[in-house]
Amino acid sequence: EAGVTQSPTHLIKTRGQQATLRCSPISGHTSVYWYQQALGLGLQFLLWYDEGEERNRGNFPPRFSGRQFPNYSSELNVNALELEDSALYLCASSLQLNYEQYFGPGTRLTVT
Amino acid sequence: QKEVEQNSGPLSVPEGAIASLNCTYSDRGSQSFFWYRQYSGKSPELIMSIYSNGDKEDGRFTAQLNKASQYVSLLIRDSQPSDSATYLCAVKGTGTASKLTFGTGTRLQVTL
Repeated sequence: EAGVTQSPTHLIKTRGQQATLRCSPISGHTSVYWYQQALGLGLQFLLWYDEGEERNRGNFPPRFSGRQFPNYSSELNVNALELEDSALYLCASSLQLNYEQYFGPGTRLTVT
Repeated sequence: QKEVEQNSGPLSVPEGAIASLNCTYSDRGSQSFFWYRQYSGKSPELIMSIYSNGDKEDGRFTAQLNKASQYVSLLIRDSQPSDSATYLCAVKGTGTASKLTFGTGTRLQVTL
């Protein structure tokens, strides 16, 4: 069974630009979660989508947004990039109402 | 008080010994608890989930939960050098739509 996939692996952007990160969940999983892991910091919850709806949102500014598509894949958009947005962005998926989350390999975003 | 607290370590144990990792949480209504292992530069990997008070064993791993004292622990028996990693405790808050909150992790070093 294929795991969670994310693309791209690495992304380099300049300050002020927009970044789009993509995630495909494990087959059969309807919930997708996004996390930010900055160097030396813990996993910070960003967004949770289930069945195309946003279920919960972490304490991040509105320039962090996303969506979930009918095939349950998801994308995370970060507008007006700032230097401190440089981090590993992790996507996880789970069965609906099953809270065991399985992570993808992550996208390393570098903002210069 | 942090929502989920872990000792950052490093916790150093000799090969073959038992490693004991601890985690405390603040939300008394939490019902779901997870342990993840994260190797340096990699994404977190789910190793244990526990929902009821008591012990849950899976191979060399035992998760222990005490809801009255609001702590959850992970024991690793016969520790191996390959167990050297950061172990993340995650707690799901009260309510169906509540998020998973991660501790900052305990770094485990298994020495030869």
